[in-house]
Amino acid sequence: TQLLEQSPQFLSIQEGENLTVYCNSSSVFSSLQWYRQEPGEGPVLLVTVVTGGEVKKLKRLTFQFGDARKDSSLHITAAQPGDTGLYLCAGDPGGFQKLVFGTGTRLLVSP
Amino acid sequence: DAGVIQSPRHEVTEMGQEVTLRCKPISGHDYLFWYRQTMMRGLELLIYFNNNVPIDDSGMPEDRFSAKMPNASFSTLKIQPSEPRDSAVYFCASSLSSGPQHFGDGTRLSIL
Repeated sequence: TQLLEQSPQFLSIQEGENLTVYCNSSSVFSSLQWYRQEPGEGPVLLVTVVTGGEVKKLKRLTFQFGDARKDSSLHITAAQPGDTGLYLCAGDPGGFQKLVFGTGTRLLVSP
Repeated sequence: DAGVIQSPRHEVTEMGQEVTLRCKPISGHDYLFWYRQTMMRGLELLIYFNNNVPIDDSGMPEDRFSAKMPNASFSTLKIQPSEPRDSAVYFCASSLSSGPQHFGDGTRLSIL
């Protein structure tokens, strides 16, 4: 069974702070996705990374895929209350859409 | 464009009753996925379909769970008989080929 462990599980910070969320596995993934989920809603895709070492930026969010395609990180610069939510990484081991989701990181950004 | 539509949004029923969850995928999408989300186990894939055909149901927990996709615009997930441990949020998602999965807003199921 392929597992994706995220850390930290919970993060409570003040507006303007920077943070990094990690997603680690012992398995290799053909691609890795990051989602944000808000209460009462389904996860919404933020980014997909497919190449080892790849870095993608989405405004204040920076995503990195590890060289060995086993891990990933999400860095948020100058966090805002609107960034509050549950962040999920999801790996696709075989390119067949059968995603394995991480354990999740719950982020709270206070004004 | 309408997203993935799930119904009902909330369901409360007693143990032993049959529960049917419904999903309408995004028009034109050829993959449909059913997930379950709990605090303990996170988001788990139960089953997925391609062109209305079940491809992988290895995540379905027990024979009490069944899923169907009679046509490209409708799918159901049934639990019969339901048990309290089935309480969770159930999500449906759809995608076009190898594209990103789009999730519905889920059905929050409580079995008393």
